[in-house]
Amino acid sequence: DTAVSQTPKYLVTQMGNDKSIKCEQNLGHDTMYWYKQDSKKFLKIMFSYNNKELIINETVPNRFSPKSPDKAHLNLHINSLELGDSAVYFCASSQVGGGALGEQFFGPGTRLTVL
Amino acid sequence: SQQGEEDPQALSIQEGENATMNCSYKTSINNLQWYRQNSGRGLVHLILIRSNEREKHSGRLRVTLDTSKKSSSLLITASRAADTASYFCATVGPRRALTFGSGTRLQVQP
Repeated sequence: DTAVSQTPKYLVTQMGNDKSIKCEQNLGHDTMYWYKQDSKKFLKIMFSYNNKELIINETVPNRFSPKSPDKAHLNLHINSLELGDSAVYFCASSQVGGGALGEQFFGPGTRLTVL
Repeated sequence: SQQGEEDPQALSIQEGENATMNCSYKTSINNLQWYRQNSGRGLVHLILIRSNEREKHSGRLRVTLDTSKKSSSLLITASRAADTASYFCATVGPRRALTFGSGTRLQVQP
């Protein structure tokens, strides 16, 4: 099935650990995103990559480092995890080239719990 | 970055009734989009309305846009229990990232 997939779906870890979340899209899109949804359901953009190039980095602590090995993958690595990092992280993709207006396709989310 | 507000924050209705959700935003836009999020799931795109459009329909969904008031509304007609979800409006910023409103939690009672 064509989709945006994320792994893992749930991630429970201790403060101070380093963890990664992986995202893959097989929609052929050229732009991928990471969003964070907090406990109040508020969604905020973290990063955006277009053709493996970082486009948006929205005042996210440098403990968060996105990596895009190719157009279809955008991974998120988090160092020295803190309690406040607990949230649901969503990957999304869209096709920006050709005049597309920005409809985005979301992955199922990764619920990160830092203890 | 701007953050839209949605109204109401929560809405509970009976099956068959209509549900109306409102969204306000702060900056000029190219388009406004509505997304649905079922509990524990990702967001699903519902409908997009361009800044030069005033109304758009898609099945049981009707979206209006008033750029002079920087507001939009989403109407779901003849609601069903399966419509129970959170609904978010989102505007597209200059670098294509979405800026989301605070969301409306809709509960449709069977």
